[in-house]
Amino acid sequence: DQQVKQNSPSLSVQEGRISILNCDYTNSMFDYFLWYKKYPAEGPTFLISISSIKDKNEDGRFTVFLNKSAKHLSLHIVPSQPGDSAVYFCAASASRGSARQLTFGSGTQLTVLP
Amino acid sequence: DTGVSQDPRHKITKRGQNVTFRCDPISEHNRLYWYRQTLGQGPEFLTYFQNEAQLEKSRLLSDRFSAERPKGSFSTLEIQRTEQGDSAMYLCASSFGTRGIQYFGAGTRLSVL
Repeated sequence: DQQVKQNSPSLSVQEGRISILNCDYTNSMFDYFLWYKKYPAEGPTFLISISSIKDKNEDGRFTVFLNKSAKHLSLHIVPSQPGDSAVYFCAASASRGSARQLTFGSGTQLTVLP
Repeated sequence: DTGVSQDPRHKITKRGQNVTFRCDPISEHNRLYWYRQTLGQGPEFLTYFQNEAQLEKSRLLSDRFSAERPKGSFSTLEIQRTEQGDSAMYLCASSFGTRGIQYFGAGTRLSVL
């Protein structure tokens, strides 16, 4: 039972263009969402987050959009650069309890072509 | 400011052996998490510490797994009587406070032969 789904295992984009990575969730208790980037042989690196009280958060070239009614979020990278090539994970957490453990999607491999 | 450190980076063991991994979190972080990642999947939550107290354990954490965080600093994850299904990347993360971002270490890759 996957509560966080990333349905695209891979995405290729030309350098300078926009990359759009998508994520869907099923658990309505999730109220905090994060995107992590992972290079081979490294741990996931935090990119950007969004609280459920917002619908957009922007940080430089990275913007995350949240559509609560559709239980969908997306990460936009503009402009895409070859160094952005990595696996991107969507993650979610719920404020119930104190743990705030993250539930991850299965990841999307982004390849930015020069 | 050092990040989360995990040791060893790689561990190869034979089925039935015990293994222990260590995680050193970012020094001021009071929360420490263990996750497991298998090929093609995202990390899955195993267990969580707030300071030295282990407050939550996933159903994934069988009786063969035990984790400690003495004095609320570094943590160890031990797997007893390893099985081939235990082969995975074991990731440690730490954070500060309720809404703190979790920062991950590079992980320990376990291969059980």
